[in-house]
Amino acid sequence: DTEVTQTPKHLVMGMTNKKSLKCEQHMGHRAMYWYKQKAKKPPELMFVYSYEKLSINESVPSRFSPECPNSSLLNLHLHALQPEDSALYLCASSQGPGGYEQYFGPGTRLTVT
Amino acid sequence: AQSVTQLGSHVSVSEGALVLLRCNYSSSVPPYLFWYVQYPNQGLQLLLKYTSAATLVKGINGFEAEFKKSETSFHLTKPSAHMSDAAEYFCAVTEGGNKLVFGAGTILRVKS
Repeated sequence: DTEVTQTPKHLVMGMTNKKSLKCEQHMGHRAMYWYKQKAKKPPELMFVYSYEKLSINESVPSRFSPECPNSSLLNLHLHALQPEDSALYLCASSQGPGGYEQYFGPGTRLTVT
Repeated sequence: AQSVTQLGSHVSVSEGALVLLRCNYSSSVPPYLFWYVQYPNQGLQLLLKYTSAATLVKGINGFEAEFKKSETSFHLTKPSAHMSDAAEYFCAVTEGGNKLVFGAGTILRVKS
């Protein structure tokens, strides 16, 4: 099974709201990723967790806060977002660092009003 | 630094015709290369990967890609296009760390 699940599928939030995106995988993968994808653009890496520790933060604004409660779960906490943060947020996982292929979830379509 | 260039933001082929999507990479070390497909409002699906075991890589849905080190290319092909192949395709490279670098993407249109 190469499935990565993400909830919710769609999310609409105001600029003062706090919400969270959730991602789960049961493949035993030890690296998990958050990407942001704007329309007609490739995914942009936001964060990487490797063995449950944050290993890469691509200079993402602090209004995005990642969390990795355990090796199967990855959350992205959202607070005080801006309309330009509206995008498709993709979670991915891989066996580990070192060139392994990444498996992507279906994404959460986020709209900030 | 690693990078990927996909030639042609849009490619249009007739159903049954050859599909050729071009990808050139830049890497300071032997790269790991991938092709992904994305259907509208969905996540990315892995088509195939190159990890130095063989230069011709076969993937899912009849796609294959050939790694040519001398040309720094990893073009994606399919002998006969189906309507269901219409999607956006991304080439990606990593030098072995966690960071995957994507090309800008190529939208494939299949005409009936």
